[in-house]
Amino acid sequence: EVQLVESGGGLVQPGGSLRLSCAVSGFTFNDYEMNWVRQAPGKGLEWLSYISTHGSTIYYADSAKGRFTISRNNPKNTLYLQMNSLRVDDTAIYYCARQDRREVVAGQNLDFWGQGILVTVSS
Amino acid sequence: QSALTQPASVSGSPGQSITISCTGTSSDIGGYDYISWYQQHPAKAPKLLIYDVSNRPSGVSDRFSGSKSGNTASLTISGLQAEDEADYYCSSYTDSGTLVLFGGGTKLTVL
Repeated sequence: EVQLVESGGGLVQPGGSLRLSCAVSGFTFNDYEMNWVRQAPGKGLEWLSYISTHGSTIYYADSAKGRFTISRNNPKNTLYLQMNSLRVDDTAIYYCARQDRREVVAGQNLDFWGQGILVTVSS
Repeated sequence: QSALTQPASVSGSPGQSITISCTGTSSDIGGYDYISWYQQHPAKAPKLLIYDVSNRPSGVSDRFSGSKSGNTASLTISGLQAEDEADYYCSSYTDSGTLVLFGGGTKLTVL
């Protein structure tokens, strides 16, 4: 069974940092591209970042550029999102999502999602 | 960069069909066939319904279908069921900047 489990969320002050992890199981992690997507409370989905199977290609949304860093550790079957200089408007549920191997562009055809982890940025 | 435009809400009765539109530009929906649709029930993670405009992943009911015309993509749900009540999001590749756009979401109410 495919599983993605996020961790590392919580309450952080503005300007602070957090590192989210996404532990995966049930599939061969290093065969799949991965993404992070977030959802502010009561709002829609926002794509944040993409990483290729071995990390050689990475993309970010404008809202994440310069502050967030995506990475992966394939032997540990884990995806990461390092978030720095956090702002109040980064408050959201953060999802990791697997991208179907047949998809040729980043960020589409996200076929399995984690349950999400809440990040709250507040003083 | 603006999100794709979806109606805020749609409704239908059990057994009916409804269509949710998703309007973009020639830089995204109109220019490429990389469009996905997701269903999200309250407090749950999104679920992939449609990819690459009109393809259904294994396990997704054939009551869900996708299409595209010009700069507008559409999701049609036929034979509405109570369990279809959820939020629906479209997503598209874009060649202008951010790579991925989502629609603002459409709340489907089954009357």
